[in-house]
Amino acid sequence: SQTIHQWPATLVQPVGSPLSLECTVEGTSNPNLYWYRQAAGRGLQLLFYSVGIGQISSEVPQNLSASRPQDRQFILSSKKLLLSDSGFYLCAWNQQGFYGYTFGSGTRLTVV
Amino acid sequence: KNEVEQSPQNLTAQEGEFITINCSYSVGISALHWLQQHPGGGIVSLFMLSSGKKKHGRLIATINIQEKHSSLHITASHPRDSAVYICAVGSNTGNQFYFGTGTSLTVIP
Repeated sequence: SQTIHQWPATLVQPVGSPLSLECTVEGTSNPNLYWYRQAAGRGLQLLFYSVGIGQISSEVPQNLSASRPQDRQFILSSKKLLLSDSGFYLCAWNQQGFYGYTFGSGTRLTVV
Repeated sequence: KNEVEQSPQNLTAQEGEFITINCSYSVGISALHWLQQHPGGGIVSLFMLSSGKKKHGRLIATINIQEKHSSLHITASHPRDSAVYICAVGSNTGNQFYFGTGTSLTVIP
């Protein structure tokens, strides 16, 4: 069966520290992968998406970057966190040509 | 204007009440999702719809493609239903996915 894993569930990091959030998908190959962020009072917004290894598209300029080192692995990173990076981060995937999306359980990031 | 609008933003109900949350969208979609987000932040996918109606336990989701509208109903509501419910749509024109801002539901015993 197809599953998606996202970790950690919660994270508290100091300002200026690095960040690495990981998302992996099982049971499929060549998925589209997505990172979303939920800002306070707003819906989830697309940050990055990837249609293949090493292929990253950025939707919003910010302090974050994404990488896809393997087919089913998507990583969200930052070299130096800002207070404004606090929020809820959600990974998702779907199969090219199909409309169903599957979501990770999300990561609550608090930058202090 | 957001591509996905939900109403109400906040909802308080007595245990046992029938609850309806509405979602309207303005883009062409491939599918619509209803998600449940608990206070800790974790998100659970409740339904994925492209037409008609789906039922799972006390939850019912409907969609009207012509009117670009969906509803989530909870029958015999319970305090454990308290959560934020989010409507989300997948665009039919690319890899874009739009989320509503959510409806915060509190069910009082």
